[in-house]
Amino acid sequence: EIVMTQSPATLSVSPGERATLSCRASQSVSSNLAWYQQKPGQAPRLLIYGASTRATGIPARFSGSGSGTEFTLTISSLQSEDFAVYYCQHYDNWPPMYIFGQGTKLEIK
Amino acid sequence: QVQLQESGPGLVKPSGTLSLTCAVSGGSISSGHWWTWVRQPPGKGLEWIGEIYHSGNTNYNPSLKSRVTISVDKSTNQFSLKLSSMTAADTAVYYCARKWSGYFDYWGQGTLVTVSS
Repeated sequence: EIVMTQSPATLSVSPGERATLSCRASQSVSSNLAWYQQKPGQAPRLLIYGASTRATGIPARFSGSGSGTEFTLTISSLQSEDFAVYYCQHYDNWPPMYIFGQGTKLEIK
Repeated sequence: QVQLQESGPGLVKPSGTLSLTCAVSGGSISSGHWWTWVRQPPGKGLEWIGEIYHSGNTNYNPSLKSRVTISVDKSTNQFSLKLSSMTAADTAVYYCARKWSGYFDYWGQGTLVTVSS
């Protein structure tokens, strides 16, 4: 089974600065990779799919990159509402399986 | 705008069976998407439980497969989750979600289920 590893576990960044979050797959997952944002008490929200495509309504300051085993979520200029936990997620078509990383908590520095 | 809403008991006894329902509104459950369940233990990460198509076809997480049943009711635009032999390790927030192309684009608000006597 593919394992998704996110780093760092916690990232402290000041508002207005850039945040870079990483997700590594234990084997190649092509571009079958999504990023979600989760705020306390809320459901996850889809940010990025296909490794680099923003979901509907997601601000342009969110960008995703990578393929194969190494992926990055970049938030170009942090706003107060961006401080949350971020998860990456991979899917396999067959047998169907959906694997999440353990999450990165983005906190205010 | 598709909306999903989970419902069911918030407390289940050890060895009991969890039963949750997800009501879909703003779209048809027969729209061509798969409908899924995901859970999140308190303070921990996300775990996919399983999914169902409107035809009744299902796929389950192998780690839970022996205890999980997901069903669909097209007449009420709902789908349901049953998880048997519950233990404290199954205490979690349970989410229903719509799958789109391998990803989860619409989510319910989640419901906390606690396993305790």
